[in-house]
Amino acid sequence: DVKVTQSSRYLVKRTGEKVFLECVQDMDHENMFWYRQDPGLGLRLIYFSYDVKMKEKGDIPEGYSVSREKKERFSLILESASTNQTSMYLCASSLPHVEQFFGPGTRLTVL
Amino acid sequence: EDQVTQSPEALRLQEGESSSLNCSYTVSGLRGLFWYRQDPGKGPEFLFTLYSAGEEKEKERLKATLTKKESFLHITAPKPEDSATYLCAVSGNTGGFKTIFGAGTRLFVKA
Repeated sequence: DVKVTQSSRYLVKRTGEKVFLECVQDMDHENMFWYRQDPGLGLRLIYFSYDVKMKEKGDIPEGYSVSREKKERFSLILESASTNQTSMYLCASSLPHVEQFFGPGTRLTVL
Repeated sequence: EDQVTQSPEALRLQEGESSSLNCSYTVSGLRGLFWYRQDPGKGPEFLFTLYSAGEEKEKERLKATLTKKESFLHITAPKPEDSATYLCAVSGNTGGFKTIFGAGTRLFVKA
């Protein structure tokens, strides 16, 4: 059974803190993705990676960075958290051009 | 530009009342159209992939169909446990590894 796990289900951080969100998949997928989901705005792509050490900006990369040192792990970094980064963060993985498999999500609150 | 529009935004049904959800799409060279189910506070769960016009797929009370411009998710005799948000997404030739998601249809099924 396919599995994508995220390091935390709920996270509360303070403005200005550096935040790490981790995602691990066990399906040997090349592609991994980070999205944020907000009411009324749907899923928005932050960054994606199609290979180890490769990354590409999505639609809303500002204020975020990513790291992919191993095939199974894709990290999202908020360099200096701000209140407008309060959101649900979803990680996904896939083979090229087919369905994505999502993790359970991390609900991040920045105070 | 690749685009996905879902309608209606919300749908309220009585248990047993069959209906359909619509997904209209614009994409250059369809590689796949995907349907997902998302429960509140959770990550999307993959349901179906459709690749070409005329294709149909079924799972329990759900049936997905595809034409060159739209896809329908038919729900036959729904139950309260079918209540969720249903997301449609497409992957095309010009989007690289990106998948474009619609905003979703929130389905409420009342007993």
